[in-house]
Amino acid sequence: QKEVEQNSGPLSVPEGAIASLNCTYSDRGSQSFFWYRQYSGKSPELIMFIYSNGDKEDGRFTAQLNKASQYVSLLIRDSQPSDSATYLCAVPSIDSWGKLQFGAGTQVVVTP
Amino acid sequence: DVKVTQSSRYLVKRTGEKVFLECVQDMDHENMFWYRQDPGLGLRLIYFSYDVKMKEKGDIPEGYSVSREKKERFSLILESASTNQTSMYLCAGRGGSYNSPLHFGNGTRLTVT
Repeated sequence: QKEVEQNSGPLSVPEGAIASLNCTYSDRGSQSFFWYRQYSGKSPELIMFIYSNGDKEDGRFTAQLNKASQYVSLLIRDSQPSDSATYLCAVPSIDSWGKLQFGAGTQVVVTP
Repeated sequence: DVKVTQSSRYLVKRTGEKVFLECVQDMDHENMFWYRQDPGLGLRLIYFSYDVKMKEKGDIPEGYSVSREKKERFSLILESASTNQTSMYLCAGRGGSYNSPLHFGNGTRLTVT
């Protein structure tokens, strides 16, 4: 079982709608969760991070943690064409928490 | 703001050449990483370093080596470049706490011909 799993998509979302992305993780002890956005040909950029103590909202982005089911969600409200990108989820690695383990990413396509 | 700088955005090298990819970070991060990213394969960790002169192999270290002589600089070395090393190379830095996020440089797109 991979440490971090994401649906590869593409997830097609109408402009103005909510995009909902999920990321499942295998280590029940994980306490930090990171979301990155990556535009085609660019490097990943950090957009959100949450810790096990609660959900977080930042502008149009909300990250939610479901510890019982071991997944973390990223919601993008009022989706815009500029949100079209691949979204990567990451958690500290089981064998060495200095490393982050990344999911394969979910491609989001926002259609006008 | 955290800054991780990779020396080259695009690089073209010939098969068999020794290639150096340089990375510098300005946030005193203990941890530094080299990844490569290929379509359909996601991010793959090549090497990482958690301190000066310390290094650990990642998932795909074959054909690569690294050097970390100073805390702020982490170099990736392709001993003898091959065409299958054509890829996007990403350097990243991370602080020493469990909750620290990873910060990426802009990437180096290497083409080996």
